[in-house]
Amino acid sequence: EAQVTQNPRYLITVTGKKLTVTCSQNMNHEYMSWYRQDPGLGLRQIYYSMNVEVTDKGDVPEGYKVSRKEKRNFPLILESPSPNQTSLYFCASSPLQGLVEGYTFGSGTRLTVV
Amino acid sequence: DQQVKQNSPSLSVQEGRISILNCDYTNSMFDYFLWYKKYPAEGPTFLISISSIKDKNEDGRFTVFLNKSAKHLSLHIVPSQPGDSAVYFCAASSGAGSYQLTFGKGTKLSVIP
Repeated sequence: EAQVTQNPRYLITVTGKKLTVTCSQNMNHEYMSWYRQDPGLGLRQIYYSMNVEVTDKGDVPEGYKVSRKEKRNFPLILESPSPNQTSLYFCASSPLQGLVEGYTFGSGTRLTVV
Repeated sequence: DQQVKQNSPSLSVQEGRISILNCDYTNSMFDYFLWYKKYPAEGPTFLISISSIKDKNEDGRFTVFLNKSAKHLSLHIVPSQPGDSAVYFCAASSGAGSYQLTFGKGTKLSVIP
C-alpha cells in the first residue's frame, strides 16, 4: 500500500529535550515536506526537500531542522523544543513533476511540549 | 499576506442539502487548484482538483467551480452526508509541473443528520 508513515503518532516531551519525528514514504517520491497545523492558522510549511541532500525552508522553519539522506526518509528534528512548538505535524510527499492529486500525507504526529 | 483564503472557518448544513465551501486566491500565477478533506486524527486526503483551463470539474457528489476573473473557487457537495463532516482545505499551485502547494486555513463542515 502506498503510504507516508510518521512516528510517533503522539509525543509529550519537556522543554529543551531534543526529539526527532520520523517520516518515511514507499512511493519513490522525490518531493517531501513537513507541515504544522494549528487552530485558526491552517497548514503551514516548515521545510521541504526536492530530493536527496536538497532541502529548503518553508514558511515557519525556526526551531526545526531536517535531513534527507535517503529518498524515502525525511526526519524532522527539534533540537531544543519549546512550548510554542506544541502542534499537529504532518509529513507529505509527491512526485516532483505532474502534481495531479497533490500530496500524500501521513497520519500526523501530535506533539506536546511542556 | 495569505495567498489562499478560506474566509468561513465553519459551516453547518442539513443532511441531504447542498454544502458550498468557498476559497479565494490573490496570486494570479496559480493555475491548479485542489481540495483536501481532513478527518480528526488523520492526515489530509486529496478530494478533487481543477486546472485553470477549466471552469468546472465533477466527481460524483463533489463539484469544483473555478471563476478565474474573480480569483474564486468553490466546492459543492450534493447531497451532503454526515460522513462529509470534516475540515476542507483549499490549495493552489503555480506553473506547469509545480510541486509547491499553498494552503488555505480550512473550513470545518458539519453535516447535521
